[in-house]
Amino acid sequence: KQEVTQIPAALSVPEGENLVLNCSFTDSAIYNLQWFRQDPGKGLTSLLLIQSSQREQTSGRLNASLDKSSGRSTLYIAASQPGDSATYLCAVYNQGGKLIFGQGTELSVKP
Amino acid sequence: GAVVSQHPSWVICKSGTSVKIECRSLDFQATTMFWYRQFPKQSLMLMATSNEGSKATYEQGVEKDKFLINHASLTLSTLTVTSAHPEDSSFYICSAAGGDSKGELFFGEGSRLTVL
Repeated sequence: KQEVTQIPAALSVPEGENLVLNCSFTDSAIYNLQWFRQDPGKGLTSLLLIQSSQREQTSGRLNASLDKSSGRSTLYIAASQPGDSATYLCAVYNQGGKLIFGQGTELSVKP
Repeated sequence: GAVVSQHPSWVICKSGTSVKIECRSLDFQATTMFWYRQFPKQSLMLMATSNEGSKATYEQGVEKDKFLINHASLTLSTLTVTSAHPEDSSFYICSAAGGDSKGELFFGEGSRLTVL
């Protein structure tokens, strides 16, 4: 059974810092991996999708990497801003398109 | 990206009543949609896979008679919480594949259900 773990559960940083969020999964037989952002009481916003044949994806200040063999992904946020404060969720795609989510990392960026 | 819309965004109902939540793919056709449930401060839990024109596939531990799913068209799936009780209060989110080769899933805005 696939399990997805995110570390840390919560993170508070001052504005301007670069930071890394970690995601690990137990079964390396994944199709894709996706990072999401969730604001309080809201739905999910897709940030980056890494296909199984890719090693990383970049969008603006965000960079996500994928190492299937070790069962790890990282989300790198450069020059963090208060508007980046949210919960970040990592999810892996198993067969049939099912997404298995991690517990999320709650990020707070202080001005 | 593809747009998925949910309605209502929030609903309050009395215990014992049934509540229907709609999930629509606005600019694409979705043969498969997924329904998730999220408790406060917790991650999303997959409840069921909704397949157009056939029965939904429920995850272990999810009562299919409690959570009725209907996927009558390629753009609409509905989740009905029957005989709702306070423990059914939760945030329900649907998702659908955008139809491209990447298989990326797009999510609705979520529906907050509060059962009194």
